[in-house]
Amino acid sequence: NAGVTQTPKFQVLKTGQSMTLQCAQDMNHEYMSWYRQDPGMGLRLIHYSVGAGITDQGEVPNGYNVSRSTTEDFPLRLLSAAPSQTSVYFCASTGDTQYFGPGTRLTVL
Amino acid sequence: SQKIEQNSEALNIQEGKTATLTCNYTNYSPAYLQWYRQDPGRGPVFLLLIRENEKEKRKERLKVTFDTTLKQSLFHITASQPADSATYLCALDRLVTNYGGSQGNLIFGKGTKLSVKP
Repeated sequence: NAGVTQTPKFQVLKTGQSMTLQCAQDMNHEYMSWYRQDPGMGLRLIHYSVGAGITDQGEVPNGYNVSRSTTEDFPLRLLSAAPSQTSVYFCASTGDTQYFGPGTRLTVL
Repeated sequence: SQKIEQNSEALNIQEGKTATLTCNYTNYSPAYLQWYRQDPGRGPVFLLLIRENEKEKRKERLKVTFDTTLKQSLFHITASQPADSATYLCALDRLVTNYGGSQGNLIFGKGTKLSVKP
C-alpha cells in the first residue's frame, strides 16, 4: 500500500494562476480531507468528503474547490491563487485513524 | 466556537526524563481525542487515541490521559530520547459517524515542539 500520495511536492505560482493539487489513497477509505498548515496557525481544515460525490466545507474553504468523483481521488483546486494561499497543504484519508500525505509546499508570488 | 489549545509552543527536556504535554479544549464534548507526531517537512503521524470513557491509555513509552471534567488531555513520553524530538499535535473530531468513528473533520491544536537533549 502506498497510503496517501500527493503531487506535486513543491509548486510556485503567480497571483491569479490556477492549479490542482492531487491526492490519492489506496486504502478504500470513504472519508478524505484537505488541510493547510501555516506557522503559528496549526492545521486547519479546508474541505472534506464523506464519500464519492459528497463534499463539504471545513474551517477555511474560501478560494478552494474540491470534487470527489472516485473513492481514491480527492483533488483540491485553486481557481485564482493569492499570496494568502502560500502554505503547506496536507491531504488525509480516514480509516481507523487519519493517514496524512507527505504534503505540498505552495508559494504564491 | 470550539477551541483546542496546547499550552506550550516548545518544551526542552533532558534525555531520560519524562516529557509532559498538555492539551485543553473548550465549547466541546468530544467522544475522543487524538495525538499525532509531526517531523519537519513531513505529514502528521497518528500516535494514540483516547475515548471519553477511558481515563488513561498506554503504548510503549507513551501515555495519554483524558479528563472530561477538566476538558484536558495530558501526553507523556517516559525515558525520553533525542529521537523523540518532534512537534506533537492533539486533535478532536468535530463530527463522528453513527458508530462513533471519525469522519476526518478534525480540529487541531497548534502543536508543541519537543526537543530532547542528550
